[in-house]
Amino acid sequence: DQQVKQNSPSLSVQEGRISILNCDYTNSMFDYFLWYKKYPAEGPTFLISISSIKDKNEDGRFTVFLNKSAKHLSLHIVPSQPGDSAVYFCAANFGNEKLTFGTGTRLTIIP
Amino acid sequence: KAGVTQTPRYLIKTRGQQVTLSCSPISGHRSVSWYQQTPGQGLQFLFEYFSETQRNKGNFPGRFSGRQFSNSRSEMNVSTLELGDSALYLCASRLAGVTQETQYFGPGTRLLVL
Repeated sequence: DQQVKQNSPSLSVQEGRISILNCDYTNSMFDYFLWYKKYPAEGPTFLISISSIKDKNEDGRFTVFLNKSAKHLSLHIVPSQPGDSAVYFCAANFGNEKLTFGTGTRLTIIP
Repeated sequence: KAGVTQTPRYLIKTRGQQVTLSCSPISGHRSVSWYQQTPGQGLQFLFEYFSETQRNKGNFPGRFSGRQFSNSRSEMNVSTLELGDSALYLCASRLAGVTQETQYFGPGTRLLVL
């Protein structure tokens, strides 16, 4: 049972444009959501998070939006840069339960 | 503050052998979680330790086990290795293992089973 889903395995975006990565979840108990970025052969690096009491959180070029009624969150990167090319994972949890990850979206920024 | 460290970084084993991986969390972090990442899969949760006790467990066979020491360092053991155990094993730490805490990952141990 995949409780966190990233339905787009890959995404290509022109440099300077906006990248939008999407994530859906099914467990309404989740109250904390995170995005991680991962390069090959490295551990995931934390990017940005959002609590379920908010609907938007911004940090520099990265903004996460949460739509609780739709059980959907998205990560916006603007402007996209070549160094943003990586695999992006969304994750969610509640209480002291384990962090549940999506399967990832490979983002490629085209120069 | 030093990040999460994992040793060894790379490992080659043969089927039937066993392996032990080590993880040192960020200083002060008491929760350590282990994940397996294989091509085409997301991060699959193995287990979480908090204050030397296993608190959560994923859907992996009993060949996968772990423990945590009083200094919060953790080890993961895989016995009777199978080819399908080849993967990147990641450990992550967080302060107390509750929601609203960010989990920080180490660089991983790449295990190849031949």
